[in-house]
Amino acid sequence: EVQLVESGGGLVQPGGSLRLSCAASGFTVSSNYMSWVRQAPGKGLEWVSVIYSGGSTYYADSVKGRFTISRHNSKNTLYLQMNSLRAEDTAVYYCARLVAAAGTKSGAFDIWGQGTMVTVSS
Amino acid sequence: EIVMTQSPATLSVSPGERATLSCRASQSVSSNLAWYQQKPGQAPRLLIYGASTRATGIPARFSGSGSGTEFTLTISSLQSEDFAVYYCQQYNNQYTFGQGTKLEIK
Repeated sequence: EVQLVESGGGLVQPGGSLRLSCAASGFTVSSNYMSWVRQAPGKGLEWVSVIYSGGSTYYADSVKGRFTISRHNSKNTLYLQMNSLRAEDTAVYYCARLVAAAGTKSGAFDIWGQGTMVTVSS
Repeated sequence: EIVMTQSPATLSVSPGERATLSCRASQSVSSNLAWYQQKPGQAPRLLIYGASTRATGIPARFSGSGSGTEFTLTISSLQSEDFAVYYCQQYNNQYTFGQGTKLEIK
């Protein structure tokens, strides 16, 4: 079964750090384009970051310089290292697989995890 | 950044009737447009990609249309399980989502 399971969320103080994990099963993370998408409480969806199969990474302006996306190939796991956290980073964080249109590096998100909640508060 | 605007914010429709949801892009996104359904406490589910292609396992009552800046999601005959929040998303230039349309029972 194709599945994504996130972990690592929790309560952290402003300025603190947290690392989220996303374990995949049924497919290979390193052969796919993978993303993080977040959703603040009661709000809409916001794309955060993407890592392509070749290893290149991209970030939303709101997290650039503070967040780092990475993967561990042998563990088939995606990560999001979050530093210098702010109150506005409070959200449910989803990992998702990106299914790219032929010949492109962009597409829709076809597989989603259940999400992990990150709360930034003192 | 491409801004996606969905309308209406809330749509009240009776079961069995047709629902039409709109999504407008601030600049052309070609056909690089997806629709998602999200129920409370759940992750989003991909319904439509490429503006009009149904994702695997999505019932035929869901259809998408449009290109450029104007897009529509139509649900032909609403079932009880269809009442949810719907998001459009462009992937022509990075990734941005609309603010969502809540489809509620009339």
